[in-house]
Amino acid sequence: RKEVEQDPGPFNVPEGATVAFNCTYSNSASQSFFWYRQDCRKEPKLLMSVYSSGNEDGRFTAQLNRASQYISLLIRDSKLSDSATYLCAVTVDSNYQLIWGAGTKLIIKP
Amino acid sequence: DAGITQSPRHKVTETGTPVTLRCHQTENHRYMYWYRQDPGHGLRLIHYSYGVKDTDKGEVSDGYSVSRSKTEDFLLTLESATSSQTSVYFCAISESNVPEQYFGPGTRLTVT
Repeated sequence: RKEVEQDPGPFNVPEGATVAFNCTYSNSASQSFFWYRQDCRKEPKLLMSVYSSGNEDGRFTAQLNRASQYISLLIRDSKLSDSATYLCAVTVDSNYQLIWGAGTKLIIKP
Repeated sequence: DAGITQSPRHKVTETGTPVTLRCHQTENHRYMYWYRQDPGHGLRLIHYSYGVKDTDKGEVSDGYSVSRSKTEDFLLTLESATSSQTSVYFCAISESNVPEQYFGPGTRLTVT
């Protein structure tokens, strides 16, 4: 079993819809959690850190479920520009090394 | 955007030749990382550095070496390139005691 797993998608979603996807992790000692966005042939860019209490940034909401060992990303009122691959990353030790999921591809259709 | 550059951005090389990729940062961050990204895989850590001359192996270090002689530069060397090392290579940086990493634009390496 991979340490961090994501549904590869693609998720095909109409513009304006709400979409959510999850990322599961296997190590219960994981400490920090992140969502990154990666556009085609570009570098990953930090989208959000995921806090225990959940956090929101505009149309984006991230949540952590430690009991079931997953994090989620919710995108409301999706825009064409939200089309990208969303990567999740978790740390498992004090060295802060990140373990990465393979990404979920999101396609927003007009 | 974090000040991270990578060079070259694209390279085609032949099997058996040595290749060096460079990562340069202007943020004075302590930690630097080299990843490779391949279809169907997440980013996989090759090597990382936690200070000048301080480096350690990551998940997929075989066939790669690194050096860091200055805070701002982190070099990745493929001693004898193989076709399995065809990939996109990303450099990342982070400050001490925080896990968030910031990435350079990547280098696309093709080994023929």
